[in-house]
Amino acid sequence: AQSVTQLDSQVPVFEEAPVELRCNYSSSVSVYLFWYVQYPNQGLQLLLKYLSGSTLVKGINGFEAEFNKSQTSFHLRKPSVHISDTAEYFCAVSHAGNNRKLIWGLGTSLAVNP
Amino acid sequence: DGGITQSPKYLFRKEGQNVTLSCEQNLNHDAMYWYRQDPGQGLRLIYYSQIVNDFQKGDIAEGYSVSREKKESFPLTVTSAQKNPTAFYLCASSREQSSYNEQFFGPGTRLTVL
Repeated sequence: AQSVTQLDSQVPVFEEAPVELRCNYSSSVSVYLFWYVQYPNQGLQLLLKYLSGSTLVKGINGFEAEFNKSQTSFHLRKPSVHISDTAEYFCAVSHAGNNRKLIWGLGTSLAVNP
Repeated sequence: DGGITQSPKYLFRKEGQNVTLSCEQNLNHDAMYWYRQDPGQGLRLIYYSQIVNDFQKGDIAEGYSVSREKKESFPLTVTSAQKNPTAFYLCASSREQSSYNEQFFGPGTRLTVL
């Protein structure tokens, strides 16, 4: 069965510092991978997705993620964070045969401090 | 602009009352989803529908009901059988033709049962 593990529930960081939010998945078949962001009391917005091809994926707001098949990871990175990046971040995985479901991680709360 | 609307943003109900949450999309998506979000528990799938007049139970369907009479609409009823209904509810949609199931989210409804 597929599963997604976000290794850190909370990540505090200072403004302009780099950040990495970690995501590992388990699956016996090829997967599609997503990172979503949720600002307080709002819905989720897609940051980026990996479908195929280049393992380095660039998204919105300066975020990027790298797909590592051997380590079954899809870590999210940003070289310099802003206060406005404070939000909840969710990693999700799907494949064509799982009845249209996305499998979600529990989320990582990123707190950017001045 | 295309998107998903959920209404109301905040909803208060007395214990024992049924309540219906609205979800409408104008993205021409075939598939629609309802999630429940509680602090620290990520997103849990309640119901999903891949086509009009058809829907399937998700992981936590007990105490909830849905209908899908129109492609654009997927209302969720929280019944009095749901033991702990206070939560943030998110509606999403995706293109059925997409193999990777990228989901688009509404702004959410926060339900508080008093």
